[in-house]
Amino acid sequence: AQSVTQLDSHVSVSEGTPVLLRCNYSSSYSPSLFWYVQHPNKGLQLLLKYTSAATLVKGINGFEAEFKKSETSFHLTKPSAHMSDAAEYFCVVSEADSNSGYALNFGKGTSLLVTP
Amino acid sequence: DTGVSQDPRHKITKRGQNVTFRCDPISEHNRLYWYRQTLGQGPEFLTYFQNEAQLEKSRLLSDRFSAERPKGSFSTLEIQRTEQGDSAMYLCASSLAPGPVYEQYFGPGTRLTVT
Repeated sequence: AQSVTQLDSHVSVSEGTPVLLRCNYSSSYSPSLFWYVQHPNKGLQLLLKYTSAATLVKGINGFEAEFKKSETSFHLTKPSAHMSDAAEYFCVVSEADSNSGYALNFGKGTSLLVTP
Repeated sequence: DTGVSQDPRHKITKRGQNVTFRCDPISEHNRLYWYRQTLGQGPEFLTYFQNEAQLEKSRLLSDRFSAERPKGSFSTLEIQRTEQGDSAMYLCASSLAPGPVYEQYFGPGTRLTVT
């Protein structure tokens, strides 16, 4: 079975300060891990993906995530928050199991609020 | 690349009515997925197609739900005898397989409100 747990349902940061969104995963197989962002009234957009190569993954808009197998974590970070980063962020796991068709399993999401 | 499109974007219906949603994937993508997202939750997998074959259905997909992808291109999701609990955002995604890792591209969704 595969699942993700997003440890914070809401995170609030000031503009210009670092962002940390936490995610732990559970997977029986070699997982593929993703972070998606959902802005209000917009479609889900892929931020970054872990492809079992480099453990530090760089995404769009300055976001990064580090895969730590020993901690079963895939936390999302950004050095300096921008007002436009305010959105819902989803940690996602998918297993290399052909029977599942690579269906994505989403966490419940973390709402990021950026204050001036 | 025109992206994944969904139609309609919004649908309001009365309980007991049937509704049908359409998804047009990215043209070269051979896999198509349907998800449902309720308020305050992440999307939940419903079903997926490889070309025209429906290969997996979630237990969330009750008998009132049916999905088709007749020619391996666009897909439709029909809900019969809608219930208030069906109110949600229905998302479609597509991807290109095979491959060890790949991402799914999502459409804007169809928001269903059952009154």
